[in-house]
Amino acid sequence: EVQLVESGGGLVQPGGSLRLSCSAAGFTFSTYDMHWVRQAPGKGLEYLSGIRSDGRGTSYADSLRGRLTISRDNSKNTLYLQVSSLGPEDTAVYYCVKTSSLWFLDYWGQGTLVTVSS
Amino acid sequence: EIVLTQSPGTLSLSPGERATLSCRASQSVSNRYLAWYQQRPGQAPRLLVYGASSRATDVPDRFSGSGSGTDFTLTISRLEPEDFAVYYCHQYGSSPRTFGQGTKLEIK
Repeated sequence: EVQLVESGGGLVQPGGSLRLSCSAAGFTFSTYDMHWVRQAPGKGLEYLSGIRSDGRGTSYADSLRGRLTISRDNSKNTLYLQVSSLGPEDTAVYYCVKTSSLWFLDYWGQGTLVTVSS
Repeated sequence: EIVLTQSPGTLSLSPGERATLSCRASQSVSNRYLAWYQQRPGQAPRLLVYGASSRATDVPDRFSGSGSGTDFTLTISRLEPEDFAVYYCHQYGSSPRTFGQGTKLEIK
């Protein structure tokens, strides 16, 4: 069974940064591209970033490019997302998502809530 | 990046009725790489359709997807109570990937 468990969320001061983690199990992590998607309270889904299975290619949403850094450690079956210069608009549930062999997003974690507030 | 526009924003229907949800892209979606997701309150999104028209595993056959190029549709043939939720389209043919803003399907 595929399992994706996000961690690292919580209350963060405006202007700060954080690193989210996603621990993967139930599949061969090193052979699948992975992504981050977020959802602000009461709002829709927003694609953030993706990384190739070997970690050598990344993509970012145009609006957030420069504030996000995605990475992975295939030896630890873990995906990461570094977010900098946080503002209240970054308050959201952040989801870790697996790509299928046909490129669509198939499995989602339950998400970790990030709240940006002083 | 490709902008996906979903319509209507809210759809009010009764159980047993047919629902038609639209997703229009600002540019052609490569290879029909368009997926649909259902999200219920407090839950993560659930994959319904990929490749514009292929149903995901364990998705009831009352859900069907169609379309190509810039116009895509999700149809729910006969609404069940559990189908009232928010639906999102997602294109994965171009980088960066993008989502539509969602259609809320509510009970009339």
